Amino acid sequence: QKEVEQNSGPLSVPEGAIASLNCTYSDRGSQSFFWYRQYSGKSPELIMFIYSNGDKEDGRFTAQLNKASQYVSLLIRDSQPSDSATYLCAVQLLNQAGTALIFGKGTTLSVSS
Amino acid sequence: EAGVVQSPRYKIIEKKQPVAFWCNPISGHNTLYWYRQNLGQGPELLIRYENEEAVDDSQLPKDRFSAERLKGVDSTLKIQPAELGDSAVYLCASGSRGTEAFFGQGTRLTVV
Repeated sequence: QKEVEQNSGPLSVPEGAIASLNCTYSDRGSQSFFWYRQYSGKSPELIMFIYSNGDKEDGRFTAQLNKASQYVSLLIRDSQPSDSATYLCAVQLLNQAGTALIFGKGTTLSVSS
Repeated sequence: EAGVVQSPRYKIIEKKQPVAFWCNPISGHNTLYWYRQNLGQGPELLIRYENEEAVDDSQLPKDRFSAERLKGVDSTLKIQPAELGDSAVYLCASGSRGTEAFFGQGTRLTVV
């Protein structure tokens, strides 16, 4: 079982809709969770992080964490064509070498105007 | 504040040739990562440094890959000899212990 799982998509939503991106992880000891956005041909950029169970909101973005279910999600409200990108879920795992930042494969989001 | 700087941005080499990538992390960041990203995949961790110590190199193909981080600042990742399957984007990232990582622009390697 891969440590961080994401549906590769593509996820297609119309402009103005809510996009929901999901991620599951295998290690119950995981402590920190991150969402990165990656435009085609560019490097990943951090958009959200969350450490505690519940919701965390930042503008149009909301990260949700449920440690009991080992599930983290990202909601994008009022989706814009400029949100079209690949969204990478990253989890900070505690392994033998300390903490390691492990990424999922990413979910491709397409927002149509 | 300058971000993570990588060079070169692009590199094309013939198989069996050596290649090296350089990374300058954000000032003050003790943690430095090297990731490899294949098309359509997420970044895969190759090696992680805490200061000058490689604390996690379990995914680094040590028969052909090597890395160093002298003085706990800049880092170099080397491949010798390169194989066709090494074609990918090599990403360097830095951060403070236990926090988020910030990425450089990456080096796109093409092995022909």
